[in-house]
Amino acid sequence: DVKVTQSSRYLVKRTGEKVFLECVQDMDHENMFWYRQDPGLGLRLIYFSYDVKMKEKGDIPEGYSVSREKKERFSLILESASTNQTSMYLCASSQTRVRGSYEQYFGPGTRLTVT
Amino acid sequence: GESVGLHLPTLSVQEGDNSIINCAYSNSASDYFIWYKQESGKGPQFIIDIRSNMDKRQGQRVTVLLNKTVKHLSLQIAATQPGDSAVYFCAENPSIKAAGNKLTFGGGTRVLVKP
Repeated sequence: DVKVTQSSRYLVKRTGEKVFLECVQDMDHENMFWYRQDPGLGLRLIYFSYDVKMKEKGDIPEGYSVSREKKERFSLILESASTNQTSMYLCASSQTRVRGSYEQYFGPGTRLTVT
Repeated sequence: GESVGLHLPTLSVQEGDNSIINCAYSNSASDYFIWYKQESGKGPQFIIDIRSNMDKRQGQRVTVLLNKTVKHLSLQIAATQPGDSAVYFCAENPSIKAAGNKLTFGGGTRVLVKP
């Protein structure tokens, strides 16, 4: 079974703090993704990576950065947390197109509260 | 202060009835579509997918229908069970040539199964 793990299920941080969210996948997937999920807005892509040290901005990259130093690990960084970054953060991974599938495998999510 | 999210559409279904969840997409170039189920406190899980060269695909108790003419996707769940209560997301692959196998997600529909 593919397993995507996220370092924390719940986090509470103060405004202005630097926040690190870690994601690890164990299936040697090339692609990794960070989304934020807010009610009624679905999943919005923050950043993704299609190879080690490669990254691309998604739809809402402002206020975030990422790091992928190893294939299995993709980190999301909030340089200076703000209250509008309170959200559920989901990490996902996928193989480059296999048999016509673009399926992404998701972690359980990290609920971040910024006070 | 805390932002207020958009209202999540809700489908209320009697146990044993069939459920139909609808999704409109906007990119006529999308060639792949996927449905996810997200239970409370968990990450999204794959249900079924379909490529644009098909108009119907069936799985276990689920059927996905694709109407490219009106850019509409639906998920049908047969004999809905209490365990089907969840939020359902559709997603599309917006560009077959882009790196990373990105998906664009809809806002989601909550399904509540009444006993």
